[in-house]
Amino acid sequence: NAGVTQTPKFQVLKTGQSMTLQCAQDMNHNSMYWYRQDPGMGLRLIYYSASEGTTDKGEVPNGYNVSRLNKREFSLRLESAAPSQTSVYFCASSEGHGTIYEQYFGPGTRLTVT
Amino acid sequence: GDSVTQMEGPVTLSEEAFLTINCTYTATGYPSLFWYVQYPGEGLQLLLKATKADDKGSNKGFEATYRKETTSFHLEKGSVQVSDSAVYFCALSNRGGGADGLTFGKGTHLIIQP
Repeated sequence: NAGVTQTPKFQVLKTGQSMTLQCAQDMNHNSMYWYRQDPGMGLRLIYYSASEGTTDKGEVPNGYNVSRLNKREFSLRLESAAPSQTSVYFCASSEGHGTIYEQYFGPGTRLTVT
Repeated sequence: GDSVTQMEGPVTLSEEAFLTINCTYTATGYPSLFWYVQYPGEGLQLLLKATKADDKGSNKGFEATYRKETTSFHLEKGSVQVSDSAVYFCALSNRGGGADGLTFGKGTHLIIQP
């Protein structure tokens, strides 16, 4: 099992460009998440999908959109990138909803917006 | 809202020293608590978890006990190794029935010297 995979690993964008970060999991998990990690800030939740067909905003959703394409895949789109979106983005999945379920993380995408 | 506070590093120890990384939380209700570890250039891996008061999570020689009376979940290890050098994140999950994401502390960078 590959677990949670993310593409690309690195990306450089110019301000105003758009791009989609891809995430897939092969663990048959129901719930998926997108976080961003900034120095000294820990991880902050951008969007999540409790189950296939549903998505909800997290703590920092502005400037992002998501699509839960199917049970395996959950993409994050930046429509018009800004330097403030320079960050490392992590996708995660969990078996179900509820506080007891641990999350499994992908390796991350390092995004730089110039 | 919910929050997690943990000691910020870097924390530098010699090999075989005793480790404690403090973590305290603020949350209503009965959250689950987690410790994640991030090795350089990688995603987060679950280290251990506890889902109710007085539970002790343990893994790879690390331990943490869920103390509701002091709202704490301190991470300990009796004898650290160079390979334990990483960033450690304390996190909580506190959504009754929902699949909201984790709330993270800012992370503690641990450096173990030979």
